[in-house]
Order: sequence, then structure tokens, then C-alpha cells
Amino acid sequence: AQTVTQSQPEMSVQEAETVTLSCTYDTSESDYYLFWYKQPPSRQMILVIRQEAYKQQNATENRFSVNFQKAAKSFSLKISDSQLGDAAMYFCAYRDALDSNYQLIWGAGTKLIIKP
Amino acid sequence: KAGVTQTPRYLIKTRGQQVTLSCSPISGHRSVSWYQQTPGQGLQFLFEYFSETQRNKGNFPGRFSGRQFSNSRSEMNVSTLELGDSALYLCASSLRLAPRETQYFGPGTRLLVL
Repeated sequence: AQTVTQSQPEMSVQEAETVTLSCTYDTSESDYYLFWYKQPPSRQMILVIRQEAYKQQNATENRFSVNFQKAAKSFSLKISDSQLGDAAMYFCAYRDALDSNYQLIWGAGTKLIIKP
Repeated sequence: KAGVTQTPRYLIKTRGQQVTLSCSPISGHRSVSWYQQTPGQGLQFLFEYFSETQRNKGNFPGRFSGRQFSNSRSEMNVSTLELGDSALYLCASSLRLAPRETQYFGPGTRLLVL
């Protein structure tokens, strides 16, 4: 069964600096999707970025980028120029591309604290 | 476009009761998924509906059930509530039932079982 591991329960960063959140996953599949979701105190889960496993190019969305290492099964999220509004729980999630079961498999989350 | 809405936002029930939660997807979205979020177990998939049919189911007991209506709105029901059912229940919708589809989440329903 696929698993997702986020080894950092909590991270803190100074405002305007860069922080990297780690995520590793385990799968025997070659085609899949990886996601980073953000859950602020309001509890609404918001998609930050998505990566397709068959694409070698790392996904980027404004200040958010990923470092996708398929062989190492690693999918880290880099947040540049951190802002107070980035404070939230960040969840890494995995989904098979070919299996008919499209459920998201989630990591335990990393709480990101932004220091002003 | 309005986002995913969930009602009610907060709910307090006692053990043994049953509860029904509602989810209205984004207009045009036909797939609805439900997740349970607890501090101990994290986020766990409950089930997914598409075109009024349950397509996938997570590893939850039969007390957890759901359905989807012709307008894509979905409800989930939990019967014979247990203390461990206290959680945030998240609903997510997507345009189609496909792995590359982005799921958009609602604000959740926080259920407290006393």
C-alpha cells in the first residue's frame, strides 16, 4: 500500500525567508500525482501545487515550487519570500494515476510558523 | 463560482445518535469525495461518488454511508455514533472522476460526539 511521510511535525521561518518542507512517499507505481495542500486555521484545505510523476520538470506556482526526485521518492515544497499568510498546516498527498481508486493518501502534515 | 459548501459547520451529538452531513459541490462538478480528519489518524478517505454511484470506499465500518443526488449534492450519514467519530469531516469536489483532477475542498463540518 502507498504511504506518505512528512517527517517534520513543525517548521518555523522568519518572514521573507525561504523554507523547505519535506515529503517522502512509497509506491510501486510509475504513474501518479503528488499534491501539496495548505490548511490554515480556518480549516479550509487549499491546493498549493500539483506534480505529475511522468513530468520531470518541477512544478512552480508563484512563490511555491517543488523539488521532485522520483527515484528517491521525495517531493519537497519550497516557499520563497515567506509571508505571514503562509502560516498553516501543509499536507503532502499522493494519488495513483492508473488505479481505479482515486483516493488521496495523505501525510501527517507539517505545521508552518512564520515569525514576523 | 461559489466554492464547495458544507452544512452544518458545527454539530454536537451524543453517543448512539445518528448524523447526516451535507455537501454541495462547485457548480458543474460531478465527483464528490469525503474525508475524515482527526488529530490521531490524520486525514482518511471515506468514499467517493460520481454520477450518483459510489465509486470508491475507504476502510471505514458500515456505520458510515453516503449518497449522491442527481444535482451532485452529497450527504454522508453516520449511524450509532461513537466518541471516536468526533472529527472534522471534509468534502471535496472535482469536475470528473479522474486522478489528475484537482479536488476542491469545503470548509468542513466539525462533529463532536459526547
